[in-house]
Amino acid sequence: DTGVSQNPRHKITKRGQNVTFRCDPISEHNRLYWYRQTLGQGPEFLTYFQNEAQLEKSRLLSDRFSAERPKGSFSTLEIQRTEQGDSAMYLCASQGSTDTQYFGPGTRLTVL
Amino acid sequence: AQSVTQLDSHVSVSEGTPVLLRCNYSSSYSPSLFWYVQHPNKGLQLLLKYTSAATLVKGINGFEAEFKKSETSFHLTKPSAHMSDAAEYFCVVPRGGYQKVTFGTGTKLQVIP
Repeated sequence: DTGVSQNPRHKITKRGQNVTFRCDPISEHNRLYWYRQTLGQGPEFLTYFQNEAQLEKSRLLSDRFSAERPKGSFSTLEIQRTEQGDSAMYLCASQGSTDTQYFGPGTRLTVL
Repeated sequence: AQSVTQLDSHVSVSEGTPVLLRCNYSSSYSPSLFWYVQHPNKGLQLLLKYTSAATLVKGINGFEAEFKKSETSFHLTKPSAHMSDAAEYFCVVPRGGYQKVTFGTGTKLQVIP
C-alpha cells in the first residue's frame, strides 16, 4: 500500500490553456473521488468513479471539465480553456470496502 | 440531509495546553463521522472515525473525539498540544449514496510556543 499519488503536485498555466492531472489510487480500491479545494474552504466534491464508471458529477464540474478512469485504476482530470477561477487545489481520494477515503497530496493549479 | 458545522474557524492554544475543536452534525440517524487533518501544502490525513462501535474514539497523534448524540456533537480533543499539531482540521460526514462526504469549513489550529 503506497498510498494515493497525484501528479503533478503543482501546475502553473496561462488562462485559456488546457491542463490534465493524474491520480493513482491505492491498488484494488474500486472507488475514486475528485475534489476541489479553494483557500480557506473545505474540499468540495467534483466527481466519483466506481471502477471505470463515472457515477456522479457535481454541478461544480462545468463542461470544460472532464474526468476519466479508463481501466478502473488511475484517473485523469482535464480542464479545458482554463480560467483564473479554476485556480485551486485538486484532490483525489480512493476508497475500498470500508467507509474511509484516503487522500492524495493534491495538485495545486494556478491560472495566470 | 447530513451536514457538519465547525464552530470555530481559528483556534489558538499554547504548547502543552489542551486542544478542543468543535463539530456539530445534523443527521436523521447516527452517522459515521470523521476528523481529517491537513498540514500546509499537504494532503488530508485521517485522524479518527466514529462508526457507532464506541462513543469515545481514539485517533492518531494523541487525538480523540467523543460522539454525543444528545448534543449532536463530535468534538476533537487532545490533552496537550504540540507544535506539530498546527494544521487545519476538518470534520466530515458521509451523505447520500456512494459514500460521498461533506466537509466542514475547517478549523485552523495555531500552537503558540
